[in-house]
Amino acid sequence: QSVLTQPPSVSGTPGQRVTISCSRSSSNIGSHTMMWYQQLPGTAPKLLFYSNNQRPSGVPDRFSGSKSGTSGSLTISGLQSEDEADYYCATWDDSLNGPVFGGGTKLTVL
Amino acid sequence: QVQLVQSGAEVKKPGASVRVSCKASAYTFTDYYMHWVRQAPGQGLEWMGRINPNTGATSFAQRFQGRISMTRDTSTGTAYMGLGRLRSDDTATYYCARAAPGLLRLPDFWGQGTLITVSS
Repeated sequence: QSVLTQPPSVSGTPGQRVTISCSRSSSNIGSHTMMWYQQLPGTAPKLLFYSNNQRPSGVPDRFSGSKSGTSGSLTISGLQSEDEADYYCATWDDSLNGPVFGGGTKLTVL
Repeated sequence: QVQLVQSGAEVKKPGASVRVSCKASAYTFTDYYMHWVRQAPGQGLEWMGRINPNTGATSFAQRFQGRISMTRDTSTGTAYMGLGRLRSDDTATYYCARAAPGLLRLPDFWGQGTLITVSS
């Protein structure tokens, strides 16, 4: 049971906006920065954005993040077929002294 | 462009050991921690540990304590992860991932992954 809880799956049609939530369930992770990763089928995870919604170069601005209390969310606007992937949130866990990942959310583009 | 290039897939028997390498380029190797993360088939991401390439200091997830090692070669910019007493449930893709700078500490750039299959 991860201390970060994500929905197992979400879906949307091209052009739609979808949101993936990530809720914290442990004080060990407090208010540490949350980061989001995209994992396309058969590839390594790729960083989507971090701290204050900064995106690495090359990541489209269709991807954005927000924070509300102890939770965070990833929003994908103008959904495209190539967005079909697994998405993971992550944050630092003080008790683990390392990163902890959410269970992942599979995005299906219908 | 930061690159992390890992060694190739391996098949190991239960009880054996494995060592995975991760060669870094396009940044100063000793300036950033290196994480190791694994992913069992069809499963999520699991953090295994990290190494400070500058000092060689390591920190491991408790469940791997006693059978994991992490080392580095600063002359070649290569990090290594070793896992011993392999079991079938160690079958997974193993990733090295550079830690983002400062207080972020989470992975930013990832290697391509190394599939380790444990089977008799």
